[in-house]
Amino acid sequence: KNQVEQSPQSLIILEGKNCTLQCNYTVSPFSNLRWYKQDTGRGPVSLTIMTFSENTKSNGRYTATLDADTKQSSLHITASQLSDSASYICVVSPYGGATNKLIFGTGTLLAVQP
Amino acid sequence: GAVVSQHPSWVICKSGTSVKIECRSLDFQATTMFWYRQFPKQSLMLMATSNEGSKATYEQGVEKDKFLINHASLTLSTLTVTSAHPEDSSFYICSASEASGSYEQYFGPGTRLTVT
Repeated sequence: KNQVEQSPQSLIILEGKNCTLQCNYTVSPFSNLRWYKQDTGRGPVSLTIMTFSENTKSNGRYTATLDADTKQSSLHITASQLSDSASYICVVSPYGGATNKLIFGTGTLLAVQP
Repeated sequence: GAVVSQHPSWVICKSGTSVKIECRSLDFQATTMFWYRQFPKQSLMLMATSNEGSKATYEQGVEKDKFLINHASLTLSTLTVTSAHPEDSSFYICSASEASGSYEQYFGPGTRLTVT
């Protein structure tokens, strides 16, 4: 069964600190993996998208890594800000192409405290 | 670029009535739009996929007669919740993909539906 699991479920860090969120997936065949940020009461916003051939991709203070062999991904947030408080969702596309269904993880709820 | 809007952002309706939610791609043409539902502290659940000019494809367990989807143009899709019940109260999110076939899905800001 295609699944995407994230850890931890929730995380509290102090402003300015770094953190790393984990994503493990069993989706096969695998096309691409995405990380989204979802603020409370808002739709998800794309942070990174990586194909199976990419190992890392950065977007400002966000850096995603991908190991297609072990089916693991991580999202590293550097120098966290209060505005980083949100749910971070790992999403895997099993086939590739815009019209294909996405498989969503349950998210990691990050709280950045002053 | 690639902005998706939803209207309304929140709506309250009485049980038994119908409510329509609009999803628009503002600066691109979307051949495919997706409708999701999200309950508190849960992830997004795909309800249906709609292609412009075609009937929507519903996920297993989603009643097509209750959740009517229309994708009449390349920039507009609508979701109508018919005979709404309190258990339909949820956060409804649409997303859209560009006609170019890129991997990206652009999500709308969501619509909070409360059925009383």
